[in-house]
Amino acid sequence: AQSVAQPEDQVNVAEGNPLTVKCTYSVSGNPYLFWYVQYPNRGLQFLLKYITGDNLVKGSYGFEAEFNKSQTSFHLKKPSALVSDSALYFCAVRDRGNTPLVFGKGTRLSVIA
Amino acid sequence: DADVTQTPRNRITKTGKRIMLECSQTKGHDRMYWYRQDPGLGLRLIYYSFDVKDINKGEISDGYSVSRQAQAKFSLSLESAIPNQTALYFCATSDPDRNEQFFGPGTRLTVL
Repeated sequence: AQSVAQPEDQVNVAEGNPLTVKCTYSVSGNPYLFWYVQYPNRGLQFLLKYITGDNLVKGSYGFEAEFNKSQTSFHLKKPSALVSDSALYFCAVRDRGNTPLVFGKGTRLSVIA
Repeated sequence: DADVTQTPRNRITKTGKRIMLECSQTKGHDRMYWYRQDPGLGLRLIYYSFDVKDINKGEISDGYSVSRQAQAKFSLSLESAIPNQTALYFCATSDPDRNEQFFGPGTRLTVL
C-alpha cells in the first residue's frame, strides 16, 4: 500500500530565509511524487512533480523538490521564502500502476515578515 | 481551476437528509475523483472513476455513493447525512499522460 508522511504539522520561517517542507513516502516500485499547495478558501494547486530523470525538480513560484530514493524522501524547498508562500502544502504519491494519488496530511507553512 | 467546477460551494443540511454534490469538468479527462478534507487528516479518497463505466471505492466510501453521468460529470451523494460527514469536499480530474490531478474549488458541507 502507498503512504505519505509529512512529519511537521507546521513550519515557521522568516521572510527571506530558505524553507524546507519534509515528505517521506512508501510505495512499491518507482514512485510518481507530487507537491500541491492550498491557499485559504481555494482548491489545491499543482506545484511540481517527479516522474523520472533528474532528482531535482523545479516547479511553480520558485519551489523545487529533491527526490532521494535511498531515503524515500521528496522534500519541498525554496531558497528565499515570501510572506505570500504562507499556505497549506500537501505531498502526494502514487505507484506506476493505475492507482489514484495518496496524499499526506499537509504541512502549514507560515512565513513571517 | 475554472476547468473543474463544483456545486454547491457551500451547503448546510440536517442529519438524515440526502445530499448530492456535483462536479463538472471541461478538461476532457476520463479520470475523476472525490476527496474529503478534514483538518489534520489531509485529503482522503472517497470514490474514483477512470471512465464512464468504471467506479471504484476509495479509502472512505462508507456512507457515500457516486454516479458518473457522463465523461464530464461525476456526482457524490450522501444518502443519509450525519454530522461526521461535515468536511470540505473536492472533486478532481486527471490526465494519465501528465499524471497530475486538477482540483475543483471545493464544497464546504456542514451537517447539523
